[in-house]
Amino acid sequence: NAGVTQTPKFQVLKTGQSMTLQCAQDMNHEYMSWYRQDPGMGLRLIHYSVGAGITDQGEVPNGYNVSRSTTEDFPLRLLSAAPSQTSVYFCASSRGQDSPLHFGNGTRLTVT
Amino acid sequence: AQRVTQPEKLLSVFKGAPVELKCNYSYSGSPELFWYVQYSRQRLQLLLRHISRESIKGFTADLNKGETSFHLKKPFAQEEDSAMYYCALRGYLYGGATNKLIFGTGTLLAVQP
Repeated sequence: NAGVTQTPKFQVLKTGQSMTLQCAQDMNHEYMSWYRQDPGMGLRLIHYSVGAGITDQGEVPNGYNVSRSTTEDFPLRLLSAAPSQTSVYFCASSRGQDSPLHFGNGTRLTVT
Repeated sequence: AQRVTQPEKLLSVFKGAPVELKCNYSYSGSPELFWYVQYSRQRLQLLLRHISRESIKGFTADLNKGETSFHLKKPFAQEEDSAMYYCALRGYLYGGATNKLIFGTGTLLAVQP
């Protein structure tokens, strides 16, 4: 039982490039979410999903897309990377609405 | 609007001293409050939640609806308590959860020997 797995751990992009941050969980959790962590700003919710085929926007969705084709996977896509997207990204999952979140180890993204 | 405020970016105490990490929230409905902790080089993990009314690693937190606060307390700090602590709020609307866990900006607790 690996929990929540994020790949890659580190990534450097140039402005305008696109990429996908991967997130997978093996706990059969319905709820998954993406946060970004920035100094002085805490964790801010980007997108979340309450089940396969259902996604919704969080606080800071601009510049990011998500999809949830399976229960296990919740990838985060950066369509055209910008320096403002330099951050640490965390994926989290939970069994349901009332359950605590389980976090991945994070992906440190730098956009130059 | 949902909001969580952690006024202290850094709290430095000596080993054995009492600790209180402040958290205030703003929410018009019925909130659920959490404390998450991130130790150095580890993933964020749940420390405690107000509905459990439990003590984890000596930490307790009481929801004060009158003061809209959920301060985290420990009577005697240990060096291994040094970590980043995040207060978080989940709101409930129309009888169901909003599924949006809102985090504060975090407080770095540094326990000096």
